[in-house]
This record gives sequence, structure tokens and C-alpha cells, in this order.
Amino acid sequence: GDSVTQTEGLVTLTEGLPVMLNCTYQSTYSPFLFWYVQHLNEAPKLLLKSFTDNKRPEHQGFHATLHKSSSSFHLQKSSAQLSDSALYYCALGPRGYQNFYFGKGTSLTVIP
Amino acid sequence: EAAVTQSPRNKVAVTGGKVTLSCNQTNNHNNMYWYRQDTGHGLRLIHYSYGAGSTEKGDIPDGYKASRPSQENFSLILELATPSQTSVYFCASGEPGGTEVFFGKGTRLTVV
Repeated sequence: GDSVTQTEGLVTLTEGLPVMLNCTYQSTYSPFLFWYVQHLNEAPKLLLKSFTDNKRPEHQGFHATLHKSSSSFHLQKSSAQLSDSALYYCALGPRGYQNFYFGKGTSLTVIP
Repeated sequence: EAAVTQSPRNKVAVTGGKVTLSCNQTNNHNNMYWYRQDTGHGLRLIHYSYGAGSTEKGDIPDGYKASRPSQENFSLILELATPSQTSVYFCASGEPGGTEVFFGKGTRLTVV
């Protein structure tokens, strides 16, 4: 079946250091992959989405590359900011999907 | 912008009581979803709907019912609330095969 794995539950980084949050997936078909971000007491909202292999979507300094060969869609940013502190969900939408499959989320805390 | 509104935003219920969580969307999306969010589990799908009159079981439907009386409204019903159902509940809407789901701001439910 379809599933998403986020291996880190909690990540703490010092401001200015690079960010990398891991996401791997299992899917029968070539899926769409997404990153959602949820700031404290807010709703999750879309951060990035990817529709084709090896295209690199970017938003707010974050980027992610879909690699079908390794079934991965890691989220990266070159320099963490305090405002990046949030809960990040990787999600999978199978082609023709009706439902999203969310990972368990990674809580990112950026400290001064 | 897409709008998903949940009510109430906070609810305290007694064990054994009936709880109804309401969701309204103005996006004219066919699909609507109910998730619960718990630390360590991420977002888990309870029920979803393809349109007015339809409800489908998600990954954790036990103890929950859903109702979709119209395109705009989707309710989650806890007939006999239990403390294990204490959680934050999110409603979302989206189009099948679309590129994004839109979340409401969540309902914090405490069952005492």
C-alpha cells in the first residue's frame, strides 16, 4: 500500500545552519509528493509540491527533489531561520488519488 | 482564497456524551476529510467523503461517524465520547487528483 516515512520526530538546529528533513515513500504508482508546514496553533498548509521527477520546487527558501530511484522527497534549506520553527509533514497523493497519506511529521525547532 | 471553517474551535465533553464537530467549505470541492492529530502519530484519516451523501471510512474510523448532507458541510460525530478521543481534529477539502488540500484551523476536543 501507499505510505510515507519521516524518520525524525524532533529536529533542533541553530539558526544559520542547513536544514534537511527526510521523507521516503512507498507507492504502487508514480505519486505526487508534498510538504505541508504547520506553525503553532495554525492549520497545516502547503509548502511545496512536486509533479515530475528531478524537478526542484522551491518556496520560502525551501526546496525538495523527487527521486523515484530512491523513493525520496527530502526537504532542504541552506540556512535555517527562527521563523522556520514548525511541524513539517511529508504527504503522498497517488496519481488519480482520492486521499492524501501523511507521514508522522517532523517538529523543527530553530534556536539562536 | 479557499476557506474551510470548523466549529467549535474548542470543546470539552464528558465521557459517554455525544459530540458533533462541524465543517463548512466554500471551495466547492468534492472531497472532504476529517483527520485527528496526535503527537507521534501525525495526521490520521478518520473519515472522508466524495460528495454530498457519501461517507467513507479512513484509517481509524472506530468510534466515529460522519455525515455529508451537502457539498459544503461535513460533520464528525462521536456518539459515545471516550478520553482516548481527546485530540485536535482537522477538517480539509480538496479535489480528487488535485494538487492541494485545504485545512481548517482545527478543533481541540477534550473528553473528561
